[in-house]
Amino acid sequence: AQTVTQSQPEMSVQEAETVTLSCTYDTSESDYYLFWYKQPPSRQMILVIRQEAYKQQNATENRFSVNFQKAAKSFSLKISDSQLGDAAMYFCAYRKYGGATNKLIFGTGTLLAVQP
Amino acid sequence: DTEVTQTPKHLVMGMTNKKSLKCEQHMGHRAMYWYKQKAKKPPELMFVYSYEKLSINESVPSRFSPECPNSSLLNLHLHALQPEDSALYLCASSPEFGGGTEAFFGQGTRLTVV
Repeated sequence: AQTVTQSQPEMSVQEAETVTLSCTYDTSESDYYLFWYKQPPSRQMILVIRQEAYKQQNATENRFSVNFQKAAKSFSLKISDSQLGDAAMYFCAYRKYGGATNKLIFGTGTLLAVQP
Repeated sequence: DTEVTQTPKHLVMGMTNKKSLKCEQHMGHRAMYWYKQKAKKPPELMFVYSYEKLSINESVPSRFSPECPNSSLLNLHLHALQPEDSALYLCASSPEFGGGTEAFFGQGTRLTVV
């Protein structure tokens, strides 16, 4: 069974600094997708970034980038120039590609605080 | 329109009440989901509808009854709930169930059972 692990329950970063959130996963599949979702106090889960396993290039979305290490099954999220609005719970998630029951599997989350 | 809209945003109900949660999307997505989320925990999948048919039921108690009247609407009917059912209920949709596309989430309904 696939599992997703986030080993940092809470993190803190100073405004304008850089922070990296860790995520590891376990799967025997070769085709899959990885996601980082952000859930601010407004409660809505918002997609931050997505990575296809078959792509070697790390995904980037503005201040957000990932370090995808397929062999190590690691998928960390780097937030550059942190802003107060980045404070939220961050969930790493995995989804196998294809199949009738490929559910989105979430990690336990990392609560990020941004200090002014 | 890239939104998933959930109503109501907050709901307080007694253990003998019957209520319904509503979810709507107009993105043409063919997969819709119900998740339950406890505080500071990840969402837990409850139900998946694919092309308006129930595809997955994660052994959810029968006091939760999902319904998909059409491709844009998803309901969750609640009856005889327990206090431990108090949680944030999230609806989500995706273009299909089976690919690698991300799910789009609504803002959730905060349910309190008294």
